Amino acid sequence: QSALTQPASVSGSPGQSITISCTGTSSDVGSHNLVSWYQQHPGKAPKVMIYEGSKRPSGVSNRFSGSKSGNTASLTISGLQAEDEADYYCCSYAGSSTFFGGGTKLTVL
Amino acid sequence: QLQLQESGPGLVKPSETLSLTCTVAGGSISSSSHYWGWIRQPPGKGLEWIGSIYYSGSTYYNPPLKSRVTISVDTSKNQFSLKLNSVTAADTAVYYCARRQISPMVNTFDYWGQGTLVTVSS
Repeated sequence: QSALTQPASVSGSPGQSITISCTGTSSDVGSHNLVSWYQQHPGKAPKVMIYEGSKRPSGVSNRFSGSKSGNTASLTISGLQAEDEADYYCCSYAGSSTFFGGGTKLTVL
Repeated sequence: QLQLQESGPGLVKPSETLSLTCTVAGGSISSSSHYWGWIRQPPGKGLEWIGSIYYSGSTYYNPPLKSRVTISVDTSKNQFSLKLNSVTAADTAVYYCARRQISPMVNTFDYWGQGTLVTVSS
């Protein structure tokens, strides 16, 4: 079973930029451009922030951006705000299976 | 606005079967552009995909759970359901139902239920 690796935690000060990585393999992240990213606040359901690697759903701030290089996808948040403090999960697939990363806790200092 | 709502027992005994239903409101479950899925999250841990179903009944399951999981759909009620048998304490989690886009927003879970906590305990 594929596993997507994310850092357990990242932090940044308001106004700064941070990047969260999501490392998979050539069978999942590296084989397509369909990684999605989800934001989850405590006690809430996840919310999609990026889909198809780099696209933003309507209503999501343009401070959120996605990219990919090889087997690693990345989520960048620029101009950090207090409300961005949350858990973030990447999601990819291989064949008929879907995989989530282990999650990254973003702390806004 | 599409809404998904999970329902079912919040407490299940070990070795028994966990059963949940997701009711879809504000849209048709018989859409050709969507799959419908279950995702769970143990307390304090990350998300785990359980499986997905198409309105025609085609299913895809997470291999480690495949032997214990059944997902079904009832288009007449606009609902889909999850059954997980032989549960243990490790199955204690918040269970979410979600819509998965085929197109546009390929392979994206764009709508989620609020989640329901299921505890496995005697």
